[in-house]
Amino acid sequence: KQEVTQIPAALSVPEGENLVLNCSFTDSAIYNLQWFRQDPGKGLTSLLLIQSSQREQTSGRLNASLDKSSGRSTLYIAASQPGDSATYLCAVEGAGGTSYGKLTFGQGTILTVHP
Amino acid sequence: DGGITQSPKYLFRKEGQNVTLSCEQNLNHDAMYWYRQDPGQGLRLIYYSQIVNDFQKGDIAEGYSVSREKKESFPLTVTSAQKNPTAFYLCASGDYRGPADGYTFGSGTRLTVV
Repeated sequence: KQEVTQIPAALSVPEGENLVLNCSFTDSAIYNLQWFRQDPGKGLTSLLLIQSSQREQTSGRLNASLDKSSGRSTLYIAASQPGDSATYLCAVEGAGGTSYGKLTFGQGTILTVHP
Repeated sequence: DGGITQSPKYLFRKEGQNVTLSCEQNLNHDAMYWYRQDPGQGLRLIYYSQIVNDFQKGDIAEGYSVSREKKESFPLTVTSAQKNPTAFYLCASGDYRGPADGYTFGSGTRLTVV
């Protein structure tokens, strides 16, 4: 059974810092990996999706990498801002069999960026 | 604008009552999903449907039921058999053949037992 772990559980940084969020998964047979942002009491907003054949994706100040063989992904946020404060969730979609089309989520990293 | 609409935003249920959460999408996605989120926990899959008139149980389906009569709609019923239904419920859709833009989530329904 796929398990997804996110480290750290919470992170507090001053504005302007570069930071890294980590995600690891136990089964490397994945179709893709997706990073989401969730604001308190809200739904999820997709940030980046990396297909299993890709190594990284970039959008603005965000960069996500994927090392499928080692079961790891990182989300890099450059020059953090208070508006980046949210919970960041990592999710993998299984490949093949009954895992196809299903997302398994990590528990998230709560990020606080203070002015 | 394309997206997913969940309603209501807040829902209160009395003990022993069934309630239905609505989820509608206009993204022309084949697949739709229901997740439950509890404080301090990740999202857990309740049910999913990859095509009209077909759906599968997720990891925590007990006490829930769904239907998929139309591509656009995937309502979730929380039955009286669900012993601890208070949670935040999220609906999502995607093309199960694997789109480049991944999955889209609704804004959620917060269900509280009173």
